[in-house]
Amino acid sequence: DAKTTQPTSMDCAEGRAANLPCNHSTISGNEYVYWYRQIHSQGPQYIIHGLKNNETNEMASLIITEDRKSSTLILPHATLRDTAVYYCIADINTGTASKLTFGTGTRLQVTL
Amino acid sequence: GAVVSQHPSRVICKSGTSVKIECRSLDFQATTMFWYRQFPKQSLMLMATSNEGSKATYEQGVEKDKFLINHASLTLSTLTVTSAHPEDSSFYICSAVASGANVLTFGAGSRLTVL
Repeated sequence: DAKTTQPTSMDCAEGRAANLPCNHSTISGNEYVYWYRQIHSQGPQYIIHGLKNNETNEMASLIITEDRKSSTLILPHATLRDTAVYYCIADINTGTASKLTFGTGTRLQVTL
Repeated sequence: GAVVSQHPSRVICKSGTSVKIECRSLDFQATTMFWYRQFPKQSLMLMATSNEGSKATYEQGVEKDKFLINHASLTLSTLTVTSAHPEDSSFYICSAVASGANVLTFGAGSRLTVL
């Protein structure tokens, strides 16, 4: 699994967009970028994943640079309930039941 | 969507006793499930890979005789912490992949406190 680097913590005002960066400069061609988040005392929740194209779903958008060495998770209108630890993980497609290796993540604090 | 259920969500036990945690895939079959452990203010650490009908694969440093894993059916994996000690107190989380899906679904976790 490619190593990922994320800022330890970030703050965001409620209603604003939260942009969470992730560096994965050693990512290999068959590794996807996955984003999960963990709200306090709960299990991780899947957010979004992508290979090289930008992706969007009802929760967030994922922007992957053309060289795939970094990506940004965008929560377009952050709410207090988005306060959580966000994990960026580079791994092969988990349809093959590949285990995920979690780093330290980014602790996002959404404030009023 | 795929749902993974864990039981119990919280358990307190005395030192030296054994505790069993169940992980169920509610609406899909999972030939493989993963067990993670998370200490306070730390990230998730993979403990073992649970394979239906065969022995679990443990990560380096995880004692297989202490953390017994049984995956007897396609919807149930159990983790038994044997002879628990206070240092085993942690948040235990399981996950599974639905066949044909490409994301891991996690359970809500089980918080074990050993007195």
